[in-house]
Amino acid sequence: ETGVTQTPRHLVMGMTNKKSLKCEQHLGHNAMYWYKQSAKKPLELMFVYNFKEQTENNSVPSRFSPECPNSSHLFLHLHTLQPEDSALYLCASSQLIPGNEAFFGQGTRLTVV
Amino acid sequence: AQRVTQPEKLLSVFKGAPVELKCNYSYSGSPELFWYVQYSRQRLQLLLRHISRESIKGFTADLNKGETSFHLKKPFAQEEDSAMYYCALRNPAAGNKLTFGGGTRVLVKP
Repeated sequence: ETGVTQTPRHLVMGMTNKKSLKCEQHLGHNAMYWYKQSAKKPLELMFVYNFKEQTENNSVPSRFSPECPNSSHLFLHLHTLQPEDSALYLCASSQLIPGNEAFFGQGTRLTVV
Repeated sequence: AQRVTQPEKLLSVFKGAPVELKCNYSYSGSPELFWYVQYSRQRLQLLLRHISRESIKGFTADLNKGETSFHLKKPFAQEEDSAMYYCALRNPAAGNKLTFGGGTRVLVKP
């Protein structure tokens, strides 16, 4: 599949569970991003990876742990989440060329119960 | 710190009327600015970028460094323009941090 693919599309987890979100792109991009989109709140940048190196951690709690094993894959490991972490988690990728846009996945709808 | 502000949460216009979405930013360097759009049940996608100075689907946006603005305009709105619009700023000097405004919902009424 072309573009940015996120799995799963929906996830329900308990506060004591451990789960992971996956993002994959085969666009040849070298930057990848995680965003959180909550109802009635702006799109919040969580993490940025350039060439597999993390360049931004936007004060994200440690219960969210990103992993970027290669430039095509990005994971978000989740553990001991809170109900307020329920949101749509979006992955994006871009090429590190001036003016190049980010391509977004469809997102994972996460519900913490 | 970079910040993007979209003061209007909702803009409601009639078909054929002009529409302008405001975007202001705070950033000390040379910004890369974008407008993204999210139609119902679709993923967030690029509408246009300031570096191209292009018109897409009748929309234009001019970067005004003096006013630190990047407002989006269309002279004659169409019903299919109803969507959520986000202004975004990318900072190449800070790890390509891509920051979005709060978004403006545009509703074009027939």
